[in-house]
Amino acid sequence: DTEVTQTPKHLVMGMTNKKSLKCEQHMGHRAMYWYKQKAKKPPELMFVYSYEKLSINESVPSRFSPECPNSSLLNLHLHALQPEDSALYLCASSQMEGNTIYFGEGSWLTVV
Amino acid sequence: QKEVEQNSGPLSVPEGAIASLNCTYSDRGSQSFFWYRQYSGKSPELIMSIYSNGDKEDGRFTAQLNKASQYVSLLIRDSQPSDSATYLCAVNPGGGNEKLTFGTGTRLTIIP
Repeated sequence: DTEVTQTPKHLVMGMTNKKSLKCEQHMGHRAMYWYKQKAKKPPELMFVYSYEKLSINESVPSRFSPECPNSSLLNLHLHALQPEDSALYLCASSQMEGNTIYFGEGSWLTVV
Repeated sequence: QKEVEQNSGPLSVPEGAIASLNCTYSDRGSQSFFWYRQYSGKSPELIMSIYSNGDKEDGRFTAQLNKASQYVSLLIRDSQPSDSATYLCAVNPGGGNEKLTFGTGTRLTIIP
């Protein structure tokens, strides 16, 4: 079982809704990541937090807003999403940025 | 453009045979190499990491790295139907660029 926990597992939201995806790890890792994965494609990096500071933002639209409240938690706030944002959203962590990445089980997002 | 290339498959292998998955990368200075397994509808799961030229074995899995040829492979011995999945090769360039680059994945089917 993965030690990176994501909630919710499934989320359906309307284009005017505001929702959040949550991620937690208790491995003492200092880097946390959000990836987006569409069907039959590899994961695409969205954001990286290193020591609770935003390290990488891959030019993601502002309707996605990450937050790292502490070293164990990572949130992704969602607002005014489009149907094409429907995907599997993966949280991951590593001991430090650049080390081996471990993925959570993912959150399946459907935007209607 | 730093790239990681894999044959998308599908690759079909009889049960009990050796499955050979290949990956090439363009950045000669890349430092770290990873193989992830992803079952349909699930998140990527780390199978192997390799950092030095040569072979690294873990159970039925062997990763092979040849930095001169910019080539990394994964061998699965005694293939089982449960090995049927998509295998993602990932490369960390290192040297200050810690963004993991994924290949598009190879879909492997083990035929009973």
